Amino acid sequence: ILNVEQSPQSLHVQEGDSTNFTCSFPSSNFYALHWYRWETAKSPEALFVMTLNGDEKKKGRISATLNTKEGYSYLYIKGSQPEDSATYLCAFSNYGGSQGNLIFGKGTKLSVKP
Amino acid sequence: DTEVTQTPKHLVMGMTNKKSLKCEQHMGHRAMYWYKQKAKKPPELMFVYSYEKLSINESVPSRFSPECPNSSLLNLHLHALQPEDSALYLCASSTRGAKNIQYFGAGTRLSVL
Repeated sequence: ILNVEQSPQSLHVQEGDSTNFTCSFPSSNFYALHWYRWETAKSPEALFVMTLNGDEKKKGRISATLNTKEGYSYLYIKGSQPEDSATYLCAFSNYGGSQGNLIFGKGTKLSVKP
Repeated sequence: DTEVTQTPKHLVMGMTNKKSLKCEQHMGHRAMYWYKQKAKKPPELMFVYSYEKLSINESVPSRFSPECPNSSLLNLHLHALQPEDSALYLCASSTRGAKNIQYFGAGTRLSVL
């Protein structure tokens, strides 16, 4: 059974703090790694899709890195703002699974206090 | 328009009821997905439709019956559900392939009494 682990489970930071979370996934037959941001009562929203070892992606204050050889991805948020409060999900796909079949982690719930 | 619309937002049903969840997108995506998410668990894939044909059924019980009447619509028909089926049901769509972003709806919160 393929497993995606995210840590920490939850995180409380002050406005202005920078923070990062980890997503661990099986490194064999890697195909793609997605990050989604999910605010309460809203739709999960895609942040990044990464496919190549060493990929780095950036969107505003949020960035992500990918290491497919060791099976992990980091998500960084620089200067956290209250509107960054959400659950951050990563999802993994490998060549062994059917195309489009994403396996999600449980997410990291971020709370940013003003 | 990058919106995936799900209706209803909330649904309460008895174990003998028949109900349907609906999902709609107008992005021209030919892959549509149903996920189930229980509290403190990750979303779990239930079904994948590709070009209006069912391509993946992740061993979902037959009391859940998906339907894709056209490329914009995806339904999930529910019959004789159990209380343990209470969950958030998410619909998503994408261009086919795991390297493509999936666009999600806000989900239907289902309670089975």
